[in-house]
Amino acid sequence: GAVVSQHPSWVICKSGTSVKIECRSLDFQATTMFWYRQFPKQSLMLMATSNEGSKATYEQGVEKDKFLINHASLTLSTLTVTSAHPEDSSFYICSARVSSIQPQHFGDGTRLSIL
Amino acid sequence: DQQVKQNSPSLSVQEGRISILNCDYTNSMFDYFLWYKKYPAEGPTFLISISSIKDKNEDGRFTVFLNKSAKHLSLHIVPSQPGDSAVYFCAASGGGTSYGKLTFGQGTILTVHP
Repeated sequence: GAVVSQHPSWVICKSGTSVKIECRSLDFQATTMFWYRQFPKQSLMLMATSNEGSKATYEQGVEKDKFLINHASLTLSTLTVTSAHPEDSSFYICSARVSSIQPQHFGDGTRLSIL
Repeated sequence: DQQVKQNSPSLSVQEGRISILNCDYTNSMFDYFLWYKKYPAEGPTFLISISSIKDKNEDGRFTVFLNKSAKHLSLHIVPSQPGDSAVYFCAASGGGTSYGKLTFGQGTILTVHP
């Protein structure tokens, strides 16, 4: 149980392109989903927290207009990297949880490479 | 400001021996701590957690110890198996909400040799 699916797993695209990443909880309803970013040899850094049906809460230093998050249903959250540039190249990973007393379950991540 | 630190980038142990992974934190507001295991090309998998009201939690081969005064926690794996080879992340959350926003350490690569 508690499977989180993230798609796509790998994206290579040109600078200026917008990229959408999907995060789905397959066998549970996720009231909260989280988006993380991991640069090489660094820890996972929380970008934003999204609750179903409400606006995402972004961490300090994360541009909300750059990283658009939509959590329209209890099983789906999307992260759109708008007008991506090479410095946005990173490993993006989502997680989901049922409630605040349950652990987060992670997707397998998306490797984003901007040329 | 790295609030959760795993100072050992890697650890190598022999199969059957004990693996001890360490984690230090600086934020006294953290009240819940978790360990995740991550294989290449996969997301982290939840292993075990501990609340700040406890100093030990055990689940099979995995035991987590918490020393609040030292702001230190450790994960013990006994006996270690080759399949345990992975990256281990400790994570912490705080503010009175269990399993809330997580702050991760940098990870420790564990290699268990047959």
